[in-house]
Amino acid sequence: EAGVVQSPRYKIIEKKQPVAFWCNPISGHNTLYWYLQNLGQGPELLIRYENEEAVDDSQLPKDRFSAERLKGVDSTLKIQPAELGDSAVYLCASSFSRNTEAFFGQGTRLTVV
Amino acid sequence: GIQVEQSPPDLILQEGANSTLRCNFSDSVNNLQWFHQNPWGQLINLFYIPSGTKQNGRLSATTVATERYSLLYISSSQTTDSGVYFCAVYWAGNQFYFGTGTSLTVIP
Repeated sequence: EAGVVQSPRYKIIEKKQPVAFWCNPISGHNTLYWYLQNLGQGPELLIRYENEEAVDDSQLPKDRFSAERLKGVDSTLKIQPAELGDSAVYLCASSFSRNTEAFFGQGTRLTVV
Repeated sequence: GIQVEQSPPDLILQEGANSTLRCNFSDSVNNLQWFHQNPWGQLINLFYIPSGTKQNGRLSATTVATERYSLLYISSSQTTDSGVYFCAVYWAGNQFYFGTGTSLTVIP
């Protein structure tokens, strides 16, 4: 069975440009998370979905970040416009339901120059 | 929010040595996972262990939820064990909070 799939793996963009990340969770997993990981730190939650509903987005910088999970399966995370400080690894995870074992994708490493 | 502290922050081992990594958390949690982040950044599931003890090959983990800690044991370490080990706790029913991590280097 395929794991959590993210694309692209790497992205280099100039500041002020838009960027989007895509995540395909494990089949049948209803809960989807987007995490941000800065160098040398643990991942931090950006947003959590239960099916297609965003139930925890308190740490998502809504002035420039947006996310969607249409039909409760795939999800996209967008940044517009990107800033230098957005350089980090963006991780997607999924679980069957909240509070069950979570599995992470390989992440997207974003570099903003 | 909850505090999740891991110790030691850094660990260097000779190949073949054993080690114990600790995860302390400041409040009751619903579940706990241990991950290994390899040098390529992939978070690999090691254990899903809200309580009790589990073993998988050279690795084992114990969570004592009532005392708010978990331990990860690595025996006969190998160079491929190098990387960062994170514990993550599910708290207040909404998200995983990651610990501060333990960076492990195994030298041949």
